[in-house]
Amino acid sequence: GAGVSQSPSNKVTEKGKDVELRCDPISGHTALYWYRQSLGQGLEFLIYFQGNSAPDKSGLPSDRFSAERTGGSVSTLTIQRTQQEDSAVYLCASSPQGSDTQYFGPGTRLTVL
Amino acid sequence: AQSVTQLGSHVSVSEGALVLLRCNYSSSVPPYLFWYVQYPNQGLQLLLKYTTGATLVKGINGFEAEFKKSETSFHLTKPSAHMSDAAEYFCAVSGGTGFQKLVFGTGTRLLVSP
Repeated sequence: GAGVSQSPSNKVTEKGKDVELRCDPISGHTALYWYRQSLGQGLEFLIYFQGNSAPDKSGLPSDRFSAERTGGSVSTLTIQRTQQEDSAVYLCASSPQGSDTQYFGPGTRLTVL
Repeated sequence: AQSVTQLGSHVSVSEGALVLLRCNYSSSVPPYLFWYVQYPNQGLQLLLKYTTGATLVKGINGFEAEFKKSETSFHLTKPSAHMSDAAEYFCAVSGGTGFQKLVFGTGTRLLVSP
């Protein structure tokens, strides 16, 4: 079946602009996670969604970062007023309810000039 | 709190040689441990995982790992390296089932020479 998909695959933006990154999880998966992979920080957890519960935002690095998940499916990660240090690969993962395994998408490579 | 340490940012082996990638963890709860592989410009693919039960776990592509609680280790091995194994490998820990974030190590890049 279809895996986790993310769009765009690459995004180049100018410092100060807002960007939106999209994640389509595997159908039926109730949990959705966002991670960031950067040279300086490695792989970091950002946020997760569990069904209709309030998201765990404990990994978001600043209030410029936000995410939403509509209808328990698609998620959008928004970065406002982008900075050069936001340049990274943003990875999305999803997981079925009660599972310990996360399935990752191919990522979105964000470059902030 | 949980953390993972991967010793060696780069490991080089010859084709056919043993692969050993080291991972040590710290966890305040019984850990769930994972190895993921990342090929260039791709996402993370699960190689294997330890949750409970048998401490020697086998994964895809001939890889296996052994959970050693006394050593807080979960090293990844493969008896004979193949050129296609060249990739970056990440060890990760979580606190169990349900909605648990993964805490990753810094990764080890495996280089395989002919």
